[in-house]
Amino acid sequence: AQSVTQLGSHVSVSEGALVLLRCNYSSSVPPYLFWYVQYPNQGLQLLLKYTSAATLVKGINGFEAEFKKSETSFHLTKPSAHMSDAAEYFCAVSDGPKGAQKLVFGQGTRLTINP
Amino acid sequence: EAEVAQSPRYKITEKSQAVAFWCDPISGHATLYWYRQILGQGPELLVQFQDESVVDDSQLPKDRFSAERLKGVDSTLKIQPAELGDSAMYLCASSFDGHYEQYFGPGTRLTVT
Repeated sequence: AQSVTQLGSHVSVSEGALVLLRCNYSSSVPPYLFWYVQYPNQGLQLLLKYTSAATLVKGINGFEAEFKKSETSFHLTKPSAHMSDAAEYFCAVSDGPKGAQKLVFGQGTRLTINP
Repeated sequence: EAEVAQSPRYKITEKSQAVAFWCDPISGHATLYWYRQILGQGPELLVQFQDESVVDDSQLPKDRFSAERLKGVDSTLKIQPAELGDSAMYLCASSFDGHYEQYFGPGTRLTVT
């Protein structure tokens, strides 16, 4: 089964600083990878996805992620943090055979933005 | 923009009572998922439907949890009897057939007292 490890359950940055959230995956086949964001008491919103096209993926709200096969990583970055970026972020990897596709999520990283 | 609908948003129930959650996926999405998310953790799949058929319910505690999607559209997740450890966010998601990208509803926050 595929798995995801998010390094750092809590990340704190200053407003305007670089955001870097780390995700490493374990997959026996070329994976599809996703980043989702969750605000308090809400569902998950898709930020971006990697589906074997370009290795640098751009998403919503200024976020991007780079797929690095050699490092089995899919880290999420944003050049300049905004207060509204404070939320929980989840990395997910595809799993399952055709007809039973599913996502396996990491434990999440809580991002705090300091003024 | 089409969205996944869930109700209720919040539910407080006493231990040993029955509780039910409802989900209406995005129109045209054949695949529907129910997840449980314990505070501070990632979502964990409980059950996956393809149309009205269960594809994966290996993590569903079948002694107390049940799920149905009778007409292949909306779905209900039931817990009977509820236990204190069931307190969590219950998320519903849907996707097009054969696609990994999932769209989530707002969730139902369950508190068991």
